[in-house]
Amino acid sequence: AQKITQTQPGMFVQEKEAVTLDCTYDTSDPSYGLFWYKQPSSGEMIFLIYQGSYDQQNATEGRYSLNFQKARKSANLVISASQLGDSAMYFCAMRERLTGANNLFFGTGTRLTVIP
Amino acid sequence: GAGVSQTPSNKVTEKGKYVELRCDPISGHTALYWYRQSLGQGPEFLIYFQGTGAADDSGLPNDRFFAVRPEGSVSTLKIQRTERGDSAVYLCASSLRSDGTGASYNEQFFGPGTRLTVL
Repeated sequence: AQKITQTQPGMFVQEKEAVTLDCTYDTSDPSYGLFWYKQPSSGEMIFLIYQGSYDQQNATEGRYSLNFQKARKSANLVISASQLGDSAMYFCAMRERLTGANNLFFGTGTRLTVIP
Repeated sequence: GAGVSQTPSNKVTEKGKYVELRCDPISGHTALYWYRQSLGQGPEFLIYFQGTGAADDSGLPNDRFFAVRPEGSVSTLKIQRTERGDSAVYLCASSLRSDGTGASYNEQFFGPGTRLTVL
């Protein structure tokens, strides 16, 4: 089974509007971390936001917020007030704690296009 | 400050050749990771170093792939007898330390990647 599923290959959003990028995950580890990365056309992975499995509140970082629904195993990224520079690939990722693995498991990504 | 750097940025080689890809992590970062990103996919884990030792190499696809980090800083990913299926972007990341227990995280900082093309 895929550890991270991103079901939206591509999304469009009007500039200044909000957009939600979906992410669901699968793990039996009770302790894990969820990450979102942005990958512009330059190729570098840029860290956006993190949510720990034991965090009580949804993570927020500026215009980014993470809608964490633990029972549903979803960790959707919300980008508010979209800007043209937000056009990029977005990847959801997870790291499990108790398995001892330190690597990130990534989804297949969502390509976001912001329309002027 | 300097981020993670990778060289070369692009590498074109012929099937059957040997290649080396270099990663220079952020100074002071003890953990180093290699990932491979094929076209249209997310990055896939290859190997993780804590210091000089490979703590987890479970992602290496076969024995043609090998990586070293002899002094606990720069790492080299080595691919022998390259195949066309090895064509991908190879990403390196580093973090200040590896995670211990608990819910805290340790952000992985990624380099720009090396695009490998095997003809």
